[in-house]
Amino acid sequence: GNSVTQMEGPVTLSEEAFLTINCTYTATGYPSLFWYVQYPGEGLQLLLKATKADDKGSNKGFEATYRKETTSFHLEKGSVQVSDSAVYFCALGGPNTGNQFYFGTGTSLTVIP
Amino acid sequence: GAGVSQTPSNKVTEKGKYVELRCDPISGHTALYWYRQSLGQGPEFLIYFQGTGAADDSGLPNDRFFAVRPEGSVSTLKIQRTERGDSAVYLCASSSTPGSIYEQYFGPGTRLTVT
Repeated sequence: GNSVTQMEGPVTLSEEAFLTINCTYTATGYPSLFWYVQYPGEGLQLLLKATKADDKGSNKGFEATYRKETTSFHLEKGSVQVSDSAVYFCALGGPNTGNQFYFGTGTSLTVIP
Repeated sequence: GAGVSQTPSNKVTEKGKYVELRCDPISGHTALYWYRQSLGQGPEFLIYFQGTGAADDSGLPNDRFFAVRPEGSVSTLKIQRTERGDSAVYLCASSSTPGSIYEQYFGPGTRLTVT
């Protein structure tokens, strides 16, 4: 079946620290992988995506590389800001998942000045 | 442009009552999705519409849940005989292209509390 396992939080970092949020997946076939972000009081927004193995998605200083050999899509940012405080969701989708996205449980990030 | 909107933003109802939750997708988006997000969890798929028809309703938990999209735009999620376990945030998303490899745009959600 299809599933996403995401690093549990909450995560608290100081401003300018390095961020990694781990995400691994189980899927049939070749899914697309996504990171969504939910800022306080707002809806889910797409942060970045990768549609095939070895693709790197990037946006707003965040990066994630689709690693088929380790079935992973870890989110990284070199220097976090207070404004990055949010809940981050890893998700899986694609032709073999039908019309569904499979989401991880979310990782809450708080960045302190 | 306007994003996906959902009304109401909060709904408190008593156990056993009927509720309707509304979703207005982005204009022109043919694909519409409903998800349920319980506390501390990621969104879970409920149902997918392509146009007016429910193309995939495999995520609906039981026959108390039903959704419609009569004109291919606004959708309503209907829950009969609500139970306390139905308490969650109900999310709606729309997409210009069907199929989950494309970006889905999410609304802010309706928080349902069943007392």
